[in-house]
Amino acid sequence: QKEVEQNSGPLSVPEGAIASLNCTYSDRGSQSFFWYRQYSGKSPELIMFIYSNGDKEDGRFTAQLNKASQYVSLLIRDSQPSDSATYLCAVNGDNDMRFGAGTRLTVKP
Amino acid sequence: DVKVTQSSRYLVKRTGEKVFLECVQDMDHENMFWYRQDPGLGLRLIYFSYDVKMKEKGDIPEGYSVSREKKERFSLILESASTNQTSMYLCASSLWDGPLLFGPGTRLTVL
Repeated sequence: QKEVEQNSGPLSVPEGAIASLNCTYSDRGSQSFFWYRQYSGKSPELIMFIYSNGDKEDGRFTAQLNKASQYVSLLIRDSQPSDSATYLCAVNGDNDMRFGAGTRLTVKP
Repeated sequence: DVKVTQSSRYLVKRTGEKVFLECVQDMDHENMFWYRQDPGLGLRLIYFSYDVKMKEKGDIPEGYSVSREKKERFSLILESASTNQTSMYLCASSLWDGPLLFGPGTRLTVL
């Protein structure tokens, strides 16, 4: 079974700090990788996607991918209270998108 | 405004009933997915479809079936609802290996 594992958290950081979220996956054939944010009672919404090894930056968010280690991470710089949510890692291997259990992040003012 | 819609936000059914959850997308996406989300377990893939009349089992297909007769519509069917199928059901769609766009979800309670 294809598995996606995330550090379960919860993770708490002070406002302005860097939040680091990690994810590993089991399917070596996976090609595309996504981070979603989910507020309580809402559907997941896309934050970032990454297809190639290395870093990809978008504003305060940086996604990092290492296919050899089967590892993907999300860094959130200058964390804000509005970033408090559950973050879901998703991995797509064969059009069958699979998700980790999520990491709950709390940013304290 | 592109979107995925689900037929109901909240649904209450009785054990043994046949339940239909409908999902419609207006983006001409090839792929459509059904997940259920339970506390501590994350999103678990029930079924997905990459084309009309095509379907593939996900990780937890038991007790569910699906139908995709038209590209924009993907239905999830609970043949005989049971209490352990009480959950949040999320439909999503995507272009090939692109990101998923989710519907608002249906919270199903089976009594």
